[in-house]
Amino acid sequence: DTGVSQNPRHKITKRGQNVTFRCDPISEHNRLYWYRQTLGQGPEFLTYFQNEAQLEKSRLLSDRFSAERPKGSFSTLEIQRTEQGDSAMYLCASSPTSGGANTGELFFGEGSRLTVL
Amino acid sequence: SQQGEEDPQALSIQEGENATMNCSYKTSINNLQWYRQNSGRGLVHLILIRSNEREKHSGRLRVTLDTSKKSSSLLITASRAADTASYFCATDEGNSGYSTLTFGKGTMLLVSP
Repeated sequence: DTGVSQNPRHKITKRGQNVTFRCDPISEHNRLYWYRQTLGQGPEFLTYFQNEAQLEKSRLLSDRFSAERPKGSFSTLEIQRTEQGDSAMYLCASSPTSGGANTGELFFGEGSRLTVL
Repeated sequence: SQQGEEDPQALSIQEGENATMNCSYKTSINNLQWYRQNSGRGLVHLILIRSNEREKHSGRLRVTLDTSKKSSSLLITASRAADTASYFCATDEGNSGYSTLTFGKGTMLLVSP
């Protein structure tokens, strides 16, 4: 399967614990995005990487959220000291470029659903 | 914040009927995209229409864009039960060179056999 892969698919944790999600994008895509989706809402942009550089992180919800893409391939999203309000689906997407230009469409993974008790 | 707003929030039709969903947005855009999401799954890209285009077709899908009214519509013709899903419009303002898409809340489509 050459699609975007996310792990784990479902995480249940207790309030105050740290959680980490992993995303493996489509191999030839150098752009990687994280979104959050709560029940009944559309996805909300969190952060963006081009290769290993995090070019946009101002939309991360708080300083408890951080993301990395150390080698420009897979990415991780960490949430420290989780709160019940963090319960949501965390979606990763990647996109190709054509001649360096943004082609527009995003390819999403199946998401990682977080439940904070 | 969410820019796109889909209408209706929910739509229930019979197989074979056409389904029309509308999207309104607030700011200037570079392109507008439609995505589909089956329950509990990721989003699948359906179609992208650029700001200088007015209509686009892909299979049973037809998308229109009216930039003067800041609105778009998605028409699914001859619907099938397998089309049951949530449909989201997403706008790309194109300011940054990458796709910081802003999604609406979606339209939930139910197609009954």
